[in-house]
Parts: sequence; structure tokens; C-alpha cells
Amino acid sequence: EAGVVQSPRYKIIEKKQPVAFWCNPISGHNTLYWYLQNLGQGPELLIRYENEEAVDDSQLPKDRFSAERLKGVDSTLKIQPAELGDSAVYLCASSSPGYNEQFFGPGTRLTVL
Amino acid sequence: AQKVTQAQTEISVVEKEDVTLDCVYETRDTTYYLFWYKQPPSGELVFLIRRNSFDEQNEISGRYSWNFQKSTSSFNFTITASQVVDSAVYFCAPSSMAGSYQLTFGKGTKLSVIP
Repeated sequence: EAGVVQSPRYKIIEKKQPVAFWCNPISGHNTLYWYLQNLGQGPELLIRYENEEAVDDSQLPKDRFSAERLKGVDSTLKIQPAELGDSAVYLCASSSPGYNEQFFGPGTRLTVL
Repeated sequence: AQKVTQAQTEISVVEKEDVTLDCVYETRDTTYYLFWYKQPPSGELVFLIRRNSFDEQNEISGRYSWNFQKSTSSFNFTITASQVVDSAVYFCAPSSMAGSYQLTFGKGTKLSVIP
């Protein structure tokens, strides 16, 4: 069974540029999560989707961050414009209905110069 | 809301030694889940275990064992006969048993196993 796929693995951009991250969850997992992990810290939830619906986006900085999961499968997280403080690893995770073991992708390491 | 404290920031052991990683959590929920995840240098978080708060039996899986003490809000993780491949950052995370199932991660404990 394929795991959670994320791309790109690494991204370097200049501040004020836009950036997007893509996630493909494990097949059959209807819940999808985006996390932010700063260096030396644990992951922090940004947004959670149940199918197409964003059911918890309270931690998403909505002035510059947006996310979508149009068909309830793949998801995209966007930052526009990026700031220096956005440099971090962005993790995607998914879980199957009725279970909350979350399976994580390898993450996208973003560096904003 | 949950909170987790992993007081050990970094631990170094020599290969084949046993090591225990401590986890103390806070929660207002009467029932909840507790998780451990491993994050090797490659960066991908690997699920290790989920325990229910109403099941206080200790669990053993190969070289891994977990000691859950609800009275002291602790969920410690022991690796027996450590190996170099165990080198990673380990996260303990409580989660609600309903609603968002949001995991609350601590800062993790970085384990280095020296050959």
C-alpha cells in the first residue's frame, strides 16, 4: 500500500513569492491534515479536512495561507506571499474513517530567503 | 485541550543499552488516546502505538514497551537493547477520543544510539 505522497520535497523561494505544496493521501483515507513543523518542535496542526470539507482551520493563518481539497482526495496548501518566518517543514497526514492513527508523508522543507 | 511534556530534550546511549523516554501529559478529557511517533532523520513521522485511556495494561512489541500510568498522567516508552536504527526524534501525543482527534505534539526527545 502506498503511503502519503508529498511534493516537492524541498523548496527554496524568495520572500514575497507564492508557493504551493501538494499532498496525496493513502487511498481510502477521508481525513487529511496539514501540519507545520518548526525546527526543534513538534508538528502543529494547520487544517483538517473530512472529505472536501475543512472542519478545523482555526490554526491556519488565513491572511496568507490557503488550502483546498476539491475532490476529497488530493490537497494543496498555498502560501502567498511567503515570509521569512514561514521557513519550516510542512507535513501532510491522513487517517481512515473511524480511526485516528495518522499516517504522515515525508514533508516539504520550505526555505524562504 | 491537551498538553504534553517530554522533559528529556536529548538522550545518548551506547548500542545495546536500554533507554526510557518519558512523557507526561495534561488533558481535560476523561477518555482520550495517547500516541507515540518516531521521526528518523529522513523526516517522516512513523506511527508506533496508540493507547486508550481506559486501558492501562502495559504493552510490549518486540524491543519496544510502553508503561501507561493514568494516576501520574505518564506514558513512558522503553527501548530494550537499543540499535543505531533507533536514532530518531520521538514524539508523545495525546488526542481527544471524539471530535477533531487532533494530536497535540510535544517538542520530542532526540535519541542518539552510538555504535
